Amino acid sequence: DAKTTQPNSMESNEEEPVHLPCNHSTISGTDYIHWYRQLPSQGPEYVIHGLTSNVNNRMASLAIAEDRKSSTLILHRATLRDAAVYYCILRDPFGASEKLVFGKGTKLTVNP
Amino acid sequence: DVKVTQSSRYLVKRTGEKVFLECVQDMDHENMFWYRQDPGLGLRLIYFSYDVKMKEKGDIPEGYSVSREKKERFSLILESASTNQTSMYLCASSLRFGSKNTRVDSPLHFGNGTRLTVT
Repeated sequence: DAKTTQPNSMESNEEEPVHLPCNHSTISGTDYIHWYRQLPSQGPEYVIHGLTSNVNNRMASLAIAEDRKSSTLILHRATLRDAAVYYCILRDPFGASEKLVFGKGTKLTVNP
Repeated sequence: DVKVTQSSRYLVKRTGEKVFLECVQDMDHENMFWYRQDPGLGLRLIYFSYDVKMKEKGDIPEGYSVSREKKERFSLILESASTNQTSMYLCASSLRFGSKNTRVDSPLHFGNGTRLTVT
């Protein structure tokens, strides 16, 4: 399974943008980049995913490097409710299992 | 809105008991997954199923079995619970790539988890 590397923790201030990095140098051509987040005492929640082009939705933006070896999740204005563990994951939908392999993620702290 | 429902939020069982964890999704998804989450170890895949009566082992299947008799329901079974199976169990579902004419990858939708304690 292709692996991702994320910082263990990051800190931000409320209402400021947050850029969460992810390195995936061994990504294959068919791997999608997924981001999930997990708030305390809840299951993981889907945030965004993409293949090659940058993606935007109501929660966040995903910026994918041209060589696809790294990506950045962008929260445009952090709120206290964005404090969570953020997981960057690669998934190959053409693979035998279509499973997601979770790493340790980045714990985001948002300061008021 | 999409929904994955796990039958219990908290469960306490004794060593040696047979334990059933139930998961139901209302999104007509083909794929269903069972993960467990432990501090310092993150989420680890136990089993997954890509169709009714189909199952595949994940990374840590030992001590567990699963059942998928209906598309919407995926059960995790602990045949003889042990204390090292005390954990948070998370169920998830997703569309299978190519189903419903989708040509892009689909995200996973998770339930809120069952915290199982085996004493």
